Amino acid sequence: DTAVSQTPKYLVTQMGNDKSIKCEQNLGHDTMYWYKQDSKKFLKIMFSYNNKELIINETVPNRFSPKSPDKAHLNLHINSLELGDSAVYFCASSQSHGNSPLHFGNGTRLTVT
Amino acid sequence: GDSVTQMEGPVTLSEEAFLTINCTYTATGYPSLFWYVQYPGEGLQLLLKATKADDKGSNKGFEATYRKETTSFHLEKGSVQVSDSAVYFCALAGGSYIPTFGRGTSLIVHP
Repeated sequence: DTAVSQTPKYLVTQMGNDKSIKCEQNLGHDTMYWYKQDSKKFLKIMFSYNNKELIINETVPNRFSPKSPDKAHLNLHINSLELGDSAVYFCASSQSHGNSPLHFGNGTRLTVT
Repeated sequence: GDSVTQMEGPVTLSEEAFLTINCTYTATGYPSLFWYVQYPGEGLQLLLKATKADDKGSNKGFEATYRKETTSFHLEKGSVQVSDSAVYFCALAGGSYIPTFGRGTSLIVHP
């Protein structure tokens, strides 16, 4: 069983389109995250939700909107895609208390043409 | 704010060589420290962790010691294998800390 799964694995789309990436975790964790990894492998946190409530919202354009329908799911919707949005997007989850590590999905490679 | 600094890569070694990847951090208080590994086309996986000063994390022959006095958490392995080729990330997290990652260090091991 995959612990953190995200779909799709690859997403190729044109500038100006709207797209969504879905994430689900079956670990019973109460905190979920979205990270963006650029071509140089730098990981930047975008959002974090704890029990469906937004707790971290880093400097991210308003075109990016996370949605958490329940604590096992955290989806990412992106409006009006731009070339600079091309990257690998990782979903992760963890327990909010203590020193629990993050569990990552395998990433979604977004290419905007 | 909190930050993690890792040595620039790539690090290129021959099989059975000794590995050190340096990591230092800046944080108020005492976060937990982690090393993650990312293989091509995959997400990050936890390699090891340490939750307090002088703790040593170890896994698969890798180890790192939480040094409060030097704010460091260097990753070491005595004898690397080709299969260890990957990108390694140092990170801090825990409590109220936002999980923060270093820039990653690519390791290439030649037979």
